[in-house]
Amino acid sequence: TQLLEQSPQFLSIQEGENLTVYCNSSSVFSSLQWYRQEPGEGPVLLVTVVTGGEVKKLKRLTFQFGDARKDSSLHITAAQPGDTGLYLCAGVGNQGGKLIFGQGTELSVKP
Amino acid sequence: NAGVMQNPRHLVRRRGQEARLRCSPMKGHSHVYWYRQLPEEGLKFMVYLQKENIIDESGMPKERFSAEFPKEGPSILRIQQVVRGDSAAYFCASSPFGLNSYNEQFFGPGTRLTVL
Repeated sequence: TQLLEQSPQFLSIQEGENLTVYCNSSSVFSSLQWYRQEPGEGPVLLVTVVTGGEVKKLKRLTFQFGDARKDSSLHITAAQPGDTGLYLCAGVGNQGGKLIFGQGTELSVKP
Repeated sequence: NAGVMQNPRHLVRRRGQEARLRCSPMKGHSHVYWYRQLPEEGLKFMVYLQKENIIDESGMPKERFSAEFPKEGPSILRIQQVVRGDSAAYFCASSPFGLNSYNEQFFGPGTRLTVL
């Protein structure tokens, strides 16, 4: 069974601080996606990483896929209150199709 | 281009009633996925459908739950004889491609089911 573990589960920081969220597995994933979910809404796709070692940047967000394609990280620089939300990593299963989600990281950025 | 649409957004049912959740995928997407999000838990896959076919239902409870995606119209997730444990947020996602490694899925706003 493929599993994804996210850490930390909860993160409360001050505006302007940097943070990193980790997504780890013992299994290889063909690709990994990061989503952000706000209360009462569905997850919104932020990025997809496909190649081992790949780094993608989205403004202040930097996403990295591990060389072995078993882990990924999301780094936010100079966090802002608008970054508050639930961040989810999800991997494409062995047989394609379904996404396997991590438990999520609840981020709160205080002004 | 409209996103994934789900209705209703909120649904209240009494124990023993039926719940029908609808999902219209993004235009041009023929692959639909249903996920369930329980309080304090992550999203769990339930079923993957393509037009008129169930591709993977490995996450679907064997009893009371069924899903369809007809040739015309939205995908339907049906829960018969609901119980309190069915209370959750149910999300539908769609993608233009299915069984490949670059399977980006786009999610709807969800249906929040409350069973009294």
